[in-house]
Amino acid sequence: DQQVKQNSPSLSVQEGRISILNCDYTNSMFDYFLWYKKYPAEGPTFLISISSIKDKNEDGRFTVFLNKSAKHLSLHIVPSQPGDSAVYFCAASGRSGGSNYKLTFGKGTLLTVNP
Amino acid sequence: GAGVSQSPSNKVTEKGKDVELRCDPISGHTALYWYRQRLGQGLEFLIYFQGNSAPDKSGLPSDRFSAERTGESVSTLTIQRTQQEDSAVYLCASSWGQASSGNTIYFGEGSWLTVV
Repeated sequence: DQQVKQNSPSLSVQEGRISILNCDYTNSMFDYFLWYKKYPAEGPTFLISISSIKDKNEDGRFTVFLNKSAKHLSLHIVPSQPGDSAVYFCAASGRSGGSNYKLTFGKGTLLTVNP
Repeated sequence: GAGVSQSPSNKVTEKGKDVELRCDPISGHTALYWYRQRLGQGLEFLIYFQGNSAPDKSGLPSDRFSAERTGESVSTLTIQRTQQEDSAVYLCASSWGQASSGNTIYFGEGSWLTVV
């Protein structure tokens, strides 16, 4: 049973436009969410996170939105740049239930930003 | 070191052989994790270390998989009698503390294992 779902395996956008990557989760115990970016042949690198006490966190071109009632979060990248082309993983962690030390990942979304 | 270091970066092995994968976490990080990613899949949790103890081994796929950590530093993931389905990139990560406390988990570049 997948607790973190990224239903779009790929997304293609034009340079300068907004990229919106979506993520859904099923475990109501999750209260900390992260996005990681992964280039080919490299390990994932941390991009941005959000705690469940917030509904928005912004860092430069990257903004993460959290809708707890819908168990949904999204990553917005604006404006998108060709260097943003990578696989983006959504991850979640919970403070209780014995899983507060590990991240549960989605399968990732391949973002391609076309010049 | 500056980041999480893993070795070997690539390993091709024959089915039935044993392999050892090594991870050097960021100095001072008490938490260490092993994940793996098989082709077309997400990151799959294998095992977590806090210090030298492994309170959660629930992600290890079978008893052919084992891991240890010594000196609250280096960790080794061992796969015995490798099978083709073990082919994956094995990712090590470390952090100062627990993920849900806002501690960022840093990943190494992975060890790419191919079992032929």
